[in-house]
Amino acid sequence: QSALTQPASVSGSPGQSITISCTGTSSDVGSYNLVSWYQQHPGKAPKLMIHEVNKRPSGVSNRFSGSKSGNTASLTISGLQAEDEADYYCCSYTSSSTYVVFGGGTKLTVL
Amino acid sequence: QVQLVQSGAEVKKPGASVKVSCKASGYTFSTYGITWVRQAPGQGLEWMGWINPYNGNTNYAQKLQGRVTMTTDTSTSTAYMELRSLRSDDTAVFYCARSSPTCPGCWLDPWGQGTLVTVSS
Repeated sequence: QSALTQPASVSGSPGQSITISCTGTSSDVGSYNLVSWYQQHPGKAPKLMIHEVNKRPSGVSNRFSGSKSGNTASLTISGLQAEDEADYYCCSYTSSSTYVVFGGGTKLTVL
Repeated sequence: QVQLVQSGAEVKKPGASVKVSCKASGYTFSTYGITWVRQAPGQGLEWMGWINPYNGNTNYAQKLQGRVTMTTDTSTSTAYMELRSLRSDDTAVFYCARSSPTCPGCWLDPWGQGTLVTVSS
């Protein structure tokens, strides 16, 4: 059981927008703007897509955006493309002795 | 370009230890942290711990305390993760990733290619 809760799967058609939620607690997502998101294609290493809630690293498409409200962070992907099909993980700093927690991951299917 | 290259796959027996290396290039090694993350087959990501190569400070996941040790060799820009008393449920792909020098888990970029460690009798 992961510390952050994500939907197991989401899907969308090419060109559409989807949002993946990541729900934590007041000990992690709710208290720190230190949420990051990672994309992982099968058999590959994860790739940083968003850090500090809504900052996009150089080279990441502006179709990816992040936000946070209360204890829930969100990743939105607009203009879905076939290459976006992957697993997505959220991550947050936490005040607990765990230091860092990941979500369980969300499988995005592009129909 | 910034790159992390990890050592090759390992097969270990229960009770043994494994030491995975992660060689960094393309940046000043001591100015960023190194985080270790593992992923069991078909499962999600699990944060293992973080080390600051500049001063050797570490933070470990509570569940691994006492079994894991993270070290660095700044002369070769290489980080190491040793896990002892291996069990079958330690079978996983282990990743290293460059991270903030002051904030464990704030961001992880880039990641190494991963090292598969299989624990089997």
